[in-house]
Formats: sequence, C-alpha cells, structure tokens
Amino acid sequence: GDSVTQMEGPVTLSEEAFLTINCTYTATGYPSLFWYVQYPGEGLQLLLKATKADDKGSNKGFEATYRKETTSFHLEKGSVQVSDSAVYFCALYEDTGRRALTFGSGTRLQVQP
Amino acid sequence: NAGVTQTPKFQVLKTGQSMTLQCAQDMNHEYMSWYRQDPGMGLRLIHYSVGAGITDQGEVPNGYNVSRSTTEDFPLRLLSAAPSQTSVYFCASSTYGVANTGELFFGEGSRLTVL
Repeated sequence: GDSVTQMEGPVTLSEEAFLTINCTYTATGYPSLFWYVQYPGEGLQLLLKATKADDKGSNKGFEATYRKETTSFHLEKGSVQVSDSAVYFCALYEDTGRRALTFGSGTRLQVQP
Repeated sequence: NAGVTQTPKFQVLKTGQSMTLQCAQDMNHEYMSWYRQDPGMGLRLIHYSVGAGITDQGEVPNGYNVSRSTTEDFPLRLLSAAPSQTSVYFCASSTYGVANTGELFFGEGSRLTVL
C-alpha cells in the first residue's frame, strides 16, 4: 500500500539557516503530494502541494518539487525564522477508493534565535 | 470564522467507559473524517464520510463508531474505551472530497487519555 517516509526529528536550526526536510513515498500510481504544518496547540494546515511530476509547490518561502524518478518531495526554505517552529507532515493522495491522505510520521522543526 | 470545531479539547476516561467526541463544521463541506495522531506514527484515518447518511471505515476503525445525520456534524463514539485509544484525535473536512485538492481543514484536536 501507499506509504510516506520522513526524516526523523527534531531538526534544530538557527534563524536564517537553510532548511531541508526529506520526504519519500511509495505509491502504485501517480499520487498528489502535500506538505502540512502543525503549529503548537493547533490542527494541521496545508502548506503546499504538487499534483504531477516536476510540479513545484510553494508558499510562505517554502518550496517542494515532485520528483517521480526518485519518488521524493523534499521541503526546503532558504532562511528559516523562529515562527517556522512547528511539526511538518508530508502526505500523499492516491485514488484507491478510500479517499484519504496518507501521512508521514512528521518532523519537528525547532528554530533558535 | 469557526471552521472545524471539536469538543472536548481534553478528556480523561477509565477503561470501559464510553464517550463521544463532537465535530462540527460550518463550511458546508461534504467530506468529513476522523484521524488519530500518535507519536512517531503520523496521522491515521479512523472513519470518514462523503455526505450525510454515508460513512466508511478508514485504516484503524476498530473500537470506534460514527454517524452522519447532518452535513455539519460528524461525532466519533468510543463504545468501551481502552488504554490503546489514548491519543490526540483530529476531525477534518473538505469540499468535493479529498480527491479534488487534498486540502483538509482540521480542528484543533481532542486529547484523550484512557486510564
């Protein structure tokens, strides 16, 4: 079945550092890919998405490119801020009938001033 | 802007007790779902609904019941709570189903502890 693997956290960075959070997936077809973010004490919210190979999703300075050849969707940001501290979830959707996202285990990012 | 509202935010139960987690959305979304979030395991789908009167099982449905009598409400019932159901529960909704955009709107979560 479908699965999503994310790098273990926590990831601790200083403000203005470059961020990469790795995400790889397993799917039988051509899924849509997503990054969700969960700020402390809140529910998840969609950060960005890509629906086909080579698409780049971007939002709030974050970017991720759908790489079908490496089955990856790594999240990047050039200069992180303290306010980016959160848990980041990679997810995929494939139309297998269950109509649900498959989530990775989440990666906690801590940005220090 | 209420969005997706979950109650209660925190609950402690004893093994064998029953309870209902409430979820309401005011966005007229057809699709609603319940996930549980456990450390190191991400979010796992419990049950979902694509409209009033229609529900289906997700990845981990055992021990949970749902119903969808209105578009707005999607309660999750624990019939006989077990310590393995200690978790954070999220309700999420979407228009046109997840297939369209993948954008789920989440509630703030309900933290349940079963002793």
